[in-house]
Amino acid sequence: DQQVKQNSPSLSVQEGRISILNCDYTNSMFDYFLWYKKYPAEGPTFLISISSIKDKNEDGRFTVFLNKSAKHLSLHIVPSQPGDSAVYFCAASAVESGSARQLTFGSGTQLTVLP
Amino acid sequence: DTAVSQTPKYLVTQMGNDKSIKCEQNLGHDTMYWYKQDSKKFLKIMFSYNNKELIINETVPNRFSPKSPDKAHLNLHINSLELGDSAVYFCASSSHQAINEKLFFGSGTQLSVL
Repeated sequence: DQQVKQNSPSLSVQEGRISILNCDYTNSMFDYFLWYKKYPAEGPTFLISISSIKDKNEDGRFTVFLNKSAKHLSLHIVPSQPGDSAVYFCAASAVESGSARQLTFGSGTQLTVLP
Repeated sequence: DTAVSQTPKYLVTQMGNDKSIKCEQNLGHDTMYWYKQDSKKFLKIMFSYNNKELIINETVPNRFSPKSPDKAHLNLHINSLELGDSAVYFCASSSHQAINEKLFFGSGTQLSVL
């Protein structure tokens, strides 16, 4: 049972337009959410995060929105650039046993920004 | 200078063999992890480890074992490899296990079991 779901395996967007990547989760204990970007043959790299006490966090061209009631978050990239073409992973965190925290990842969305 | 490095990048081996993947981080982090990216592309936690606590995902077969000679290294040993072990394995580290932890990943090891 996947607790973090990215239902769109791929997304294509024209350069300069907005990219919207979506993520849904089922575990109400998740209280911190992150987005990672992954280029081919590289490991994922941290992009942006949001705490469950907020509904929006912005960092330059990247904004993450959190809708707790819908258990949904989205990543907006505007304007999109060809260098943004990568796989984007949504991840969620909750306190597990004791004080340990573990990240649960979605399956990723391949974003292609067309020049 | 690579922050989290893992070797080898590619590993092709026969079923039944024992193999190891090495991981080193030079970030001074306290916690290291192993993740497996399965055929459906999900990244799933296998282990998290700091100098005090090893947390094992209960779904991980005991053929997999992490070994940490020191805080900067967490190697993954796999005994009696099976076809289903074929996947990409990522090592990662973080400074601590606080709410705002960011993981720094290695570039992955593509394991193919024939």
